[in-house]
Amino acid sequence: AQSVTQLGSHVSVSEGALVLLRCNYSSSVPPYLFWYVQYPNQGLQLLLKYTSAATLVKGINGFEAEFKKSETSFHLTKPSAHMSDAAEYFCAVSSYNNNDMRFGAGTRLTVKP
Amino acid sequence: GAGVSQTPSNKVTEKGKYVELRCDPISGHTALYWYRQSLGQGPEFLIYFQGTGAADDSGLPNDRFFAVRPEGSVSTLKIQRTERGDSAVYLCASSLRGGRHEQFFGPGTRLTVL
Repeated sequence: AQSVTQLGSHVSVSEGALVLLRCNYSSSVPPYLFWYVQYPNQGLQLLLKYTSAATLVKGINGFEAEFKKSETSFHLTKPSAHMSDAAEYFCAVSSYNNNDMRFGAGTRLTVKP
Repeated sequence: GAGVSQTPSNKVTEKGKYVELRCDPISGHTALYWYRQSLGQGPEFLIYFQGTGAADDSGLPNDRFFAVRPEGSVSTLKIQRTERGDSAVYLCASSLRGGRHEQFFGPGTRLTVL
């Protein structure tokens, strides 16, 4: 069975500071990994995905994530936080032969002025 | 083009009643997914359709939950004898073919069982 663990249910950063949201996965087959963002009262939106190509994946809004097989991690980063980044972020895992995507519990990002 | 739409956006019902939640996927997407999101948690997989057939229904919590997609487009999630514990946001997503392809999510239906 596949699963993801997001460390930290709530992360608070100052505007302009580095954003680091942590995700560790468990999978017995090569994983596909995703980061989704959910703004208040809106649907989930894909930020970026890893599907066995380049290990450093760049997404929308300046976010990127690096797949590290040795650490079973897929942490999300952004060099400089913006107020508009405040939202709930979800890490998810699936695989080529498995369509039941598993989500983490989410990390709520707060950006302080 | 139009995204995934879900109706109703909110549904309040009484314990024991039957409810239907509808999902209109993006045109041409063969894969359709239902998830349930409880407060403070991530989406929980319920069922996956490839075309008209339920390819994986392992996430349905019990036999009170059922979903159909008779023509390979619109899907309906049906919940019988609702319980207060069924209260959650029910999310639908569609994907071009499933697998590595991006899932596009609808805004969800907030179900409240009194």
